[in-house]
Amino acid sequence: NAGVTQTPKFQVLKTGQSMTLQCAQDMNHNSMYWYRQDPGMGLRLIYYSASEGTTDKGEVPNGYNVSRLNKREFSLRLESAAPSQTSVYFCASRGYSGSHYNEQFFGPGTRLTVL
Amino acid sequence: AQRVTQPEKLLSVFKGAPVELKCNYSYSGSPELFWYVQYSRQRLQLLLRHISRESIKGFTADLNKGETSFHLKKPFAQEEDSAMYYCALLYGGATNKLIFGTGTLLAVQP
Repeated sequence: NAGVTQTPKFQVLKTGQSMTLQCAQDMNHNSMYWYRQDPGMGLRLIYYSASEGTTDKGEVPNGYNVSRLNKREFSLRLESAAPSQTSVYFCASRGYSGSHYNEQFFGPGTRLTVL
Repeated sequence: AQRVTQPEKLLSVFKGAPVELKCNYSYSGSPELFWYVQYSRQRLQLLLRHISRESIKGFTADLNKGETSFHLKKPFAQEEDSAMYYCALLYGGATNKLIFGTGTLLAVQP
């Protein structure tokens, strides 16, 4: 199992450009999450999807949109990137999996810089 | 509202010294707490959860509801313990969301 995968690993954008961060999991998990990680602020939840076909806002949703394409994939879109969105983005999934009750599994992250 | 506080941004200790990373929480419901670890340039991974009452890599954490704390402890630090540690609280009922503290960077000196 690859677990949670994210593409791209690195990205540089200019202000106003758009892009989509991709996330996929092969653990048959129902719930998926997008976080951003900023120095001194820890991880903050942007959006989540409790199950296929549903999405909801987290703590910091402004400037982002998401799509739960199917059970495996959960993408994050920046329609018009701003320097304040420079961050490391992590995708995570959660599901009942043996002893891993309520554990969220994280992807490797996407390091995004907006100039 | 729920909140997780990690008061130390950086904790520097020498190899073999005891370690305690502090975590305090605020939550109106019954708390479920976790410690996640992020080694340099790696993804976050679960270190331990309070309901399991387990010891992982020599680390333990006890939930103290009276003091609303979930401090992470290890009696003898190793250099390979150097990493960023995040305390997290589960909330949101069936949506199972996590709120994270701001993290503590543990640096173990040789």
